Amino acid sequence: EVRLVESGGDLVQPGGSLRLSCAASGFTFSPYSMNWVRQAPGKGLEWLSYIRSSSSVIYYADSVKGRFTISRDDAKNSLYLQMNSLRDEDTAVYYCARGYQYSLDVWGPGTTVTVSS
Amino acid sequence: QSALTQPPSASGSPGQSVTISCTGTSSDVGGYNYVSWYQQHPGKAPKLLIYEVTKRPSGVPDRFSGSKSGNTASLTVSGLQGEDEADYYCYSYAASNTLVFGGGTQLTVL
Repeated sequence: EVRLVESGGDLVQPGGSLRLSCAASGFTFSPYSMNWVRQAPGKGLEWLSYIRSSSSVIYYADSVKGRFTISRDDAKNSLYLQMNSLRDEDTAVYYCARGYQYSLDVWGPGTTVTVSS
Repeated sequence: QSALTQPPSASGSPGQSVTISCTGTSSDVGGYNYVSWYQQHPGKAPKLLIYEVTKRPSGVPDRFSGSKSGNTASLTVSGLQGEDEADYYCYSYAASNTLVFGGGTQLTVL
């Protein structure tokens, strides 16, 4: 079964850092591009970051550029999102999603990040 | 990186068809054939319905179809069923190496 599972979500204070992980299973991870997407409470989906196979190309949304860093470890079938300088407005459910022709064909269940003092 | 424009809500009766629009610019929807559509039920992760404007992944019913004209993409749901009641999002590749979602449309089956 093709599967993605996020972890690492937590309650963190403004200005703090958090590292999210996404474990992939059921498919060969390395050839696929991967993405992070978030959804604030009661709001729509927001694309955050894209990483191509071999980490050859990386894109970020303006809202997280310079604060968030996407990375992958193909040996561990894992995707990561390092989040620094967190703000209240970063509170959301964070999803990892597999990329296919600039669509998102497999999604994890999400992990919740709450930024609050 | 402005969000693509979708109507906030849409509705239809069982068996009817409903079309949801997604309007962008020549730098995103109009410039590339990388528009996809997602269905999200409350508390669940989104699910891919349509990719590359018109293509359906295996397992997605053919009641769901996609199209594009100029800077506007559309998702049509035919033969509406109660289980189709959900939020729907469009998504597109955009110039300057970004990707962007629409604001989402809440579909109600009357």
